[in-house]
Amino acid sequence: DQQVKQNSPSLSVQEGRISILNCDYTNSMFDYFLWYKKYPAEGPTFLISISSIKDKNEDGRFTVFLNKSAKHLSLHIVPSQPGDSAVYFCAASPYSGAGSYQLTFGKGTKLSVIP
Amino acid sequence: NAGVTQTPKFRILKIGQSMTLQCTQDMNHNYMYWYRQDPGMGLKLIYYSVGAGITDKGEVPNGYNVSRSTTEDFPLRLELAAPSQTSVYFCASSLREVQPQHFGDGTRLSIL
Repeated sequence: DQQVKQNSPSLSVQEGRISILNCDYTNSMFDYFLWYKKYPAEGPTFLISISSIKDKNEDGRFTVFLNKSAKHLSLHIVPSQPGDSAVYFCAASPYSGAGSYQLTFGKGTKLSVIP
Repeated sequence: NAGVTQTPKFRILKIGQSMTLQCTQDMNHNYMYWYRQDPGMGLKLIYYSVGAGITDKGEVPNGYNVSRSTTEDFPLRLELAAPSQTSVYFCASSLREVQPQHFGDGTRLSIL
């Protein structure tokens, strides 16, 4: 039973265009969400997070949108660059209380940015 | 500026052998975690620790043991290696819960 779902295993985007990576969750206790980026043979690197009190968070070229009613979040990368080519993981946890330390990860989406 | 360091990077074990995966962090983080990532899957939590002397099970703890004698180190022990434990293992740390976790580069373990 996947509580965090990334339904697109891969995505190809032209350099300079927008990349949109999607994530759905089923556990209503989740209220803290993170995106990680992973290159081959390296560990995941934290990109950006959002808590459920917000519906948008920006950091440079990266923006995360949260739609709590739809239990859906997305990561927008604008403009996309070849160095953004990596696997992107969505992760979620409760913001407090039991389980707030435990991240639940999606399976990841492999982004390829074509020069 | 090492962050989270894992050793070894690669290891091949025979069924029934034991080994310890090492993890150390230099950020003075209280929380440390061990995850495994199987091919095509997300990371799954094996064990975590909220401070020296305190550990607890995650989602997939069977076949593993941990200890936390210092803030810096959080080794993961496999006692009787089984083929199902073939995976990539990641150690992570965070200052406290609900903080982004910082990951090491992983240990790729094959059990034959």
